[in-house]
Parts: sequence; structure tokens; C-alpha cells
Amino acid sequence: IAGITQAPTSQILAAGRRMTLRCTQDMRHNAMYWYRQDLGLGLRLIHYSNTAGTTGKGEVPDGYSVSRANTDDFPLTLASAVPSQTSVYFCASSEDGGRGETQYFGPGTRLLVL
Amino acid sequence: GQNIDQPTEMTATEGAIVQINCTYQTSGFNGLFWYQQHAGEAPTFLSYNVLDGLEEKGRFSSFLSRSKGYSYLLLKELQMKDSASYLCVALDSNYQLIWGAGTKLIIKP
Repeated sequence: IAGITQAPTSQILAAGRRMTLRCTQDMRHNAMYWYRQDLGLGLRLIHYSNTAGTTGKGEVPDGYSVSRANTDDFPLTLASAVPSQTSVYFCASSEDGGRGETQYFGPGTRLLVL
Repeated sequence: GQNIDQPTEMTATEGAIVQINCTYQTSGFNGLFWYQQHAGEAPTFLSYNVLDGLEEKGRFSSFLSRSKGYSYLLLKELQMKDSASYLCVALDSNYQLIWGAGTKLIIKP
């Protein structure tokens, strides 16, 4: 059982380029999340999805978009990367979305935007 | 605004006990999580408290006081592998998670 996988593991990206971070889970969880983690700050929610076909904005959604075509996949797209998007990105999932549930995290993608 | 306060860094000795404190201010409250995060890795779930009191799980215990907006994580019989960051996370009235920046715990032999 893989749990949650993310790709790529790390990436260096030129500013202005488009980039999609991939996230796949095999736990049949309904809810999925994208966070960014920056030094000295708590995890910040970018976007979430409570079930396939629906998405919502988190705390810091600007510059990012997501889609949830099926239960397993939740890609995050940076339409035109900027240096402030340099961060570690974590994808997570939970059974039904919030309400005291444990969230399970992927290994993260380390993104450097130059 | 909503806020989580926890120490940035703590140091403890192998075999000892350490208590990591967390205070929170949230719009309503529906529980508090602790997650562990080793350097370069993903956070992993440790505990969830919604009622006042102490919950023990092996070497780790978590305490909650809702009236004081306070929680702590207690780690006993410290091992070198416990060197990690410990994230305090509150669940507000809208079931949104408010993440603390984490406490980096350094274990010395």
C-alpha cells in the first residue's frame, strides 16, 4: 500500500513557467488537500476537495489551481510561477474531510522558483 | 485573529522527559491535534484531544484544557529518533485546521 505519492520529489523552475504537481492516493479517501510549508510558518492550506468533482479555496489560493476528476488524483497547477512560490508542497488526504479526522500526508515536493 | 503559539526550539537529553506547550486562540474550537515531522519528511499524526484531560499513548501523552486554550505534548523516555518538529494544530468552529509553526526538539545523548 503506497498511501499518498507525490511527483516530482523536487523541481527547479524558471519564473513564468507553468508547473503541475501531482498527487495520488490509494486509500479511497474522499477529501484531499494541498498545503505549502515555509520556514517559520505553520502549514498553510492552498486548496482542498471534499469529494471528487468539487474543490474549494484555502488560506492562500492565489496563483494556484486544482482539479479533482476522480477520487485518487488531485493535481496542483501553478499557471505562471513566481519566486514567492518557492516552498515545500504537501498533499494530504482524509476519509471524509475535516471534523477531527487524521490527515495523511504525502512525502512532499520541494519547489524552487528562480 | 486565529493563532497558535508554541516554542520554536527545545533541547532535551536522551532518556529524559520533555513537555512541549501550546496555546491557541481560535474562532470556536473542535479539538486539537499533535503531529510529528522529521526533517525533510511529511507530518504524521500523533494525537487528537477534544475533551479536557490527559490521553496517554505509549511514551507520548497529550493534555488539553479548553478553558485555558492550552495543550501540551509529553514525551517520556526520550530516544534519539524523537528528534523532530512537533506541530500543534487546532480545529476551529468551521472545522478548519490552524497549524502552529512547530517546535523543533533536539535530543542530546
